[in-house]
Amino acid sequence: NAGVMQNPRHLVRRRGQEARLRCSPMKGHSHVYWYRQLPEEGLKFMVYLQKENIIDESGMPKERFSAEFPKEGPSILRIQQVVRGDSAAYFCASSPQAATNEKLFFGSGTQLSVL
Amino acid sequence: KQEVTQIPAALSVPEGENLVLNCSFTDSAIYNLQWFRQDPGKGLTSLLLIQSSQREQTSGRLNASLDKSSGRSTLYIAASQPGDSATYLCAVIRAAGNKLTFGGGTRVLVKP
Repeated sequence: NAGVMQNPRHLVRRRGQEARLRCSPMKGHSHVYWYRQLPEEGLKFMVYLQKENIIDESGMPKERFSAEFPKEGPSILRIQQVVRGDSAAYFCASSPQAATNEKLFFGSGTQLSVL
Repeated sequence: KQEVTQIPAALSVPEGENLVLNCSFTDSAIYNLQWFRQDPGKGLTSLLLIQSSQREQTSGRLNASLDKSSGRSTLYIAASQPGDSATYLCAVIRAAGNKLTFGGGTRVLVKP
């Protein structure tokens, strides 16, 4: 049973481009969470999704950021018109049930660098 | 608003010494608390999960205690080894919530 898979591991974008970060949860997990770790800061919650539904997006910036978790395929975190301040490590986690009852399993993250 | 603090921010000990890592949180209405390990350039590995009704959890050389009323948790690592060098993070989930609130982490170095 493969762990949470994130790709790419490293992503370089110029200001104004789009960034797409992918996350495949562990097999059998239908709950996905995205967290961001800014340089010298702690991990911050962004969004929580279940298959085809956004449950909680209270941590996600209102503009330029969006997330989806389609019925088939990985969860996608999309950042439009990236700016230097978006440079960070983006982590995805998954669980079989809601996080209140379960350990979260994290991927290795995507390091986004905006030039 | 829940705030999670970890002290110290960094810790260096000789191999064999026991490690004591502290975590405090401001809102005692938590559902559970988790301790994670993060290695440089890698994701997080969940070490222990303590439900709010529990006082402690143990796994091998690791033991985590939880005092919900005082808003504190402590992670003990017995007989430290160089392979224990990593950043240790604690995180809490509020009752009826699904998002973890993380502390800033304690960076541990175990010297051979």
